[in-house]
Amino acid sequence: ETGVTQSPTHLIKTRGQQVTLRCSSQSGHNTVSWYQQALGQGPQFIFQYYREEENGRGNFPPRFSGLQFPNYSSELNVNALELDDSALYLCASSPGGIEITGELFFGEGSRLTVL
Amino acid sequence: AQRVTQPEKLLSVFKGAPVELKCNYSYSGSPELFWYVQYSRQRLQLLLRHISRESIKGFTADLNKGETSFHLKKPFAQEEDSAMYYCALRGYGQNFVFGPGTRLSVLP
Repeated sequence: ETGVTQSPTHLIKTRGQQVTLRCSSQSGHNTVSWYQQALGQGPQFIFQYYREEENGRGNFPPRFSGLQFPNYSSELNVNALELDDSALYLCASSPGGIEITGELFFGEGSRLTVL
Repeated sequence: AQRVTQPEKLLSVFKGAPVELKCNYSYSGSPELFWYVQYSRQRLQLLLRHISRESIKGFTADLNKGETSFHLKKPFAQEEDSAMYYCALRGYGQNFVFGPGTRLSVLP
């Protein structure tokens, strides 16, 4: 069983640029959620996708957007990068739809540094 | 508003001593509470959930709605328990809200 994989693992961007982060969900999982984890803080919910539709969003501006593909992999796009966007971005998948079990399966994250 | 607080950033105990990691929450409804753990060089993973009322690796947690708490306890800490622990709440829209985390260090 393949776990959640994320790419790239590390990347450096400059302010104003755009970034795309990718996530492959665990086999059999159709729900993917994204979290931002700033240094010294817990993960903060960005949004969740179920069967290619966004079905939940946290308190993040519209320049944070995402996609989920038919194979349930997902992308997180961030436009007009700001210094405060520097963080570890975690992807988590889970089986089921709206009534997920509560067990999130996390990837290792993509560490974004904005200069 | 949904919020999870963990008052201790770092908790150090000696091997064999009892451990209690504190978690308080605010939520205007019936919450689902979880503890997630991240061991060194590993991914964040589920430790336990309150609806299961189970003991995992010797850890238990009881939901106290009156005190809005979900503290994690273990009677005898082991060195392999050293890790980062996050309390999490699942509320509106099935979204998860994580606390800031407590780093547990179990000393030999």
